[in-house]
Order: sequence, then C-alpha cells, then structure tokens
Amino acid sequence: AQSVTQLGSHVSVSEGALVLLRCNYSSSVPPYLFWYVQYPNQGLQLLLKYTSAATLVKGINGFEAEFKKSETSFHLTKPSAHMSDAAEYFCAVSTPPGGSYIPTFGRGTSLIVHP
Amino acid sequence: GAGVSQSPSNKVTEKGKDVELRCDPISGHTALYWYRQRLGQGLEFLIYFQGNSAPDKSGLPSDRFSAERTGESVSTLTIQRTQQEDSAVYLCASSKPGQGGETQYFGPGTRLLVL
Repeated sequence: AQSVTQLGSHVSVSEGALVLLRCNYSSSVPPYLFWYVQYPNQGLQLLLKYTSAATLVKGINGFEAEFKKSETSFHLTKPSAHMSDAAEYFCAVSTPPGGSYIPTFGRGTSLIVHP
Repeated sequence: GAGVSQSPSNKVTEKGKDVELRCDPISGHTALYWYRQRLGQGLEFLIYFQGNSAPDKSGLPSDRFSAERTGESVSTLTIQRTQQEDSAVYLCASSKPGQGGETQYFGPGTRLLVL
C-alpha cells in the first residue's frame, strides 16, 4: 500500500520569502515521487519527480525537492516566492512493478503569496 | 503538440440525468487515468486504462460510474442517474507506457454541477 500526507492545507508566505511545502509518504517498496502544480481552472502539471536517481531534484520555476528515505519525506522548496507561484500543489507517490503503478495523490497544499 | 483535451469544460445537469464526459489523450500515450476532484479535496482515482489490458476499475465509487476507451485513443466516462454528490471536477490524464514513474499529463478538467 502507498499513501501521501501533505502537512498544511494552506501555506502563506510573503513575496521573496522561502517556500516550504511538506510531503511525507508511505510505501512498502522504493517509491517514485512527484510534485504537481495546479493553477486556477487548469489541470495539473509536473513540477519535478524523483525516480531513484539523484536525491535532490530540480524542477521548473526554481523549485526543488529532496528525497529523504530515513524521514520518508519529499518536501518542496523554493528560495524566493513570486506572486505567480500562488497555486495548489500536490505531492504524489507511485511504485515500480510489484507495487501500485497508479499514483496516489495527497490532498494538496494551497500556496498563498502576499506582497 | 496537442495536450490532453476534455469536453465539455462545464456541465450542469439535473439530478437523475445521465452525463458523458470525454477525454482525448496525447497521441502515443497508452495509459489513461480518470480522477475526481471535489472542491478543496485531492485527486480521487477512478479508473485506469493501459493499452489493450483490462482496465483497473478499483476506484469507481458505485455502479453508476463506468468508462470506456476505444483502443489507445478517446475515453468516455459515464455517470448514470447523477446525484448531487457527483458534483466535482473530473480530470483525465495520460502517460507513455512504462514501468512506473512516468509523468502524467492532465487535461483542464470537466466541471460537473448536479442540481
């Protein structure tokens, strides 16, 4: 079985401040991990993913995430928030053959950026 | 190239009516997923198609929900005798064949409102 927990349904930051969105996963086998972003009235698009290569993954728009097996975490960070980063962020987990190839998504974290 | 498209973008129906939602995946993507996203909630998996294999219907919430896919192209999600709790955004995603870890490409969704 696999699951994802995103801590905090809303995160509020000032423009220029550090962004930290938390994601913890549960998986019986080494996972694949994803962060997707959803802008208002749009579908989801991939920010970045971890597929067992480097543990620090860099994505689009200056975001990055670090896979920490010991903490079962895959937190998303960005050094300096932009107003345009305001969106819903989803963490997801899937597993290689032997696990579930269908990604399981977290409940999402709404990022609010204020001037 | 063209992304995943969904139609209609919005649908308002009366309780008890049937609705059909359509998804056109990216050409060459053999995997296709349907998700339901209720207001303020994460993505709820509904059904998964992979090539000519039998679909994984484990996420369908009731027998009022069904889906079909023609080969590796268009998919239709049908909800019979709609209920107010069916009101949600229905998202379709497609991906290339693989062993897990593939990026999902999402459509913009169909917003269903059942009155």
